[in-house]
Amino acid sequence: AQSVAQPEDQVNVAEGNPLTVKCTYSVSGNPYLFWYVQYPNRGLQFLLKYITGDNLVKGSYGFEAEFNKSQTSFHLKKPSALVSDSALYFCAVREMDTGFQKLVFGTGTRLLVSP
Amino acid sequence: NAGVTQTPKFRILKIGQSMTLQCTQDMNHNYMYWYRQDPGMGLKLIYYSVGAGITDKGEVPNGYNVSRSTTEDFPLRLELAAPSQTSVYFCASSPPNTNTGELFFGEGSRLTVL
Repeated sequence: AQSVAQPEDQVNVAEGNPLTVKCTYSVSGNPYLFWYVQYPNRGLQFLLKYITGDNLVKGSYGFEAEFNKSQTSFHLKKPSALVSDSALYFCAVREMDTGFQKLVFGTGTRLLVSP
Repeated sequence: NAGVTQTPKFRILKIGQSMTLQCTQDMNHNYMYWYRQDPGMGLKLIYYSVGAGITDKGEVPNGYNVSRSTTEDFPLRLELAAPSQTSVYFCASSPPNTNTGELFFGEGSRLTVL
């Protein structure tokens, strides 16, 4: 069965500092990996995805994520955090050649960027 | 550019009441989904549809029903509301190519059952 773990409920970082939000996954085959962001009282918005190719994936708002097959991780990163990045971040995984009905979400990590 | 639209945004129900959460999308997506979001639990799939006239159960379907008479609309019905159905509900859609792509979410419907 597919699963994804976000080990931190909350990440605190000062504005201007780099940030990392961690995600590890488990699938039996090759994964499709996603990061979504949720701002207060809003739906989830797509940030970036890994399908195949380069292990470093760039997405919206300056975010990037690194796919590491040996560590089964897909950590979200940004070189310089903004206060406006404060939100709830979800990692999600599905196995290649399956539909979104098989997508499994993590429990979310709240990112708090202080001025 | 509406995307995925959900109504109502907020609703309070009494135990045993029924209601329908509406969802419509204008992106001509074949696939539509209903999720519920509970604190610390992530999102759980309730029902999904791969096209008009076709629906199937997700991970947590009990207490809910859906229909898909058109490509655009995917309503979620609660027949006998229970406190355990207090949650935030999200409708989502995705394009036909399910090997790539992404989910597009509505802004959510917050339901409280008292």
